[in-house]
Amino acid sequence: SQQGEEDPQALSIQEGENATMNCSYKTSINNLQWYRQNSGRGLVHLILIRSNEREKHSGRLRVTLDTSKKSSSLLITASRAADTASYFCATEPYNQGGKLIFGQGTELSVKP
Amino acid sequence: ETGVTQTPRHLVMGMTNKKSLKCEQHLGHNAMYWYKQSAKKPLELMFVYNFKEQTENNSVPSRFSPECPNSSHLFLHLHTLQPEDSALYLCASSHMDRASVYQETQYFGPGTRLLVL
Repeated sequence: SQQGEEDPQALSIQEGENATMNCSYKTSINNLQWYRQNSGRGLVHLILIRSNEREKHSGRLRVTLDTSKKSSSLLITASRAADTASYFCATEPYNQGGKLIFGQGTELSVKP
Repeated sequence: ETGVTQTPRHLVMGMTNKKSLKCEQHLGHNAMYWYKQSAKKPLELMFVYNFKEQTENNSVPSRFSPECPNSSHLFLHLHTLQPEDSALYLCASSHMDRASVYQETQYFGPGTRLLVL
């Protein structure tokens, strides 16, 4: 079974709106990472949050982590058409460095 | 540019062909990875090399054969593939501790789009 599952699978919003994507996982983790992928290209790393952290910010991105619920959320504020992409969460299982497990991703569409 | 390059970017091969995918990282990392991304499926980790040693083989069929001659280069040798092996193959690199207990961020290459006919 999958370690990371994103919700929703697809999200369509207007420019300027906020986009929230959620990720749930099953086992203890070292860290959780969010990646972005444009249309069949390579993945671009967005944010890494460690298991002892609860919130992280990077520009318009805000990530939260709740280890008691085994869940994370990615918030993109003031979205732009260029944010249109697939967003993946990936978890590194506890003490298994190098073994990133990805979810199926959320397809975000931001309409101008 | 992430500092990880992959060649070729596109590859079409028959089921009897032998081909190789190449990955090179310019980031000074000591760990490299191969992933497979099929349509409508999560990224699947295939192989992990840490300090040039293979530390993970995620039940990958033997028709995929990895090679890591040094910490900057990673190859994936392909032979007698099946049509269901058609996918985007992604290479990544990161810094990892020797005990493979934890790692830092993985940086991905642009991928090789493989079509097996």
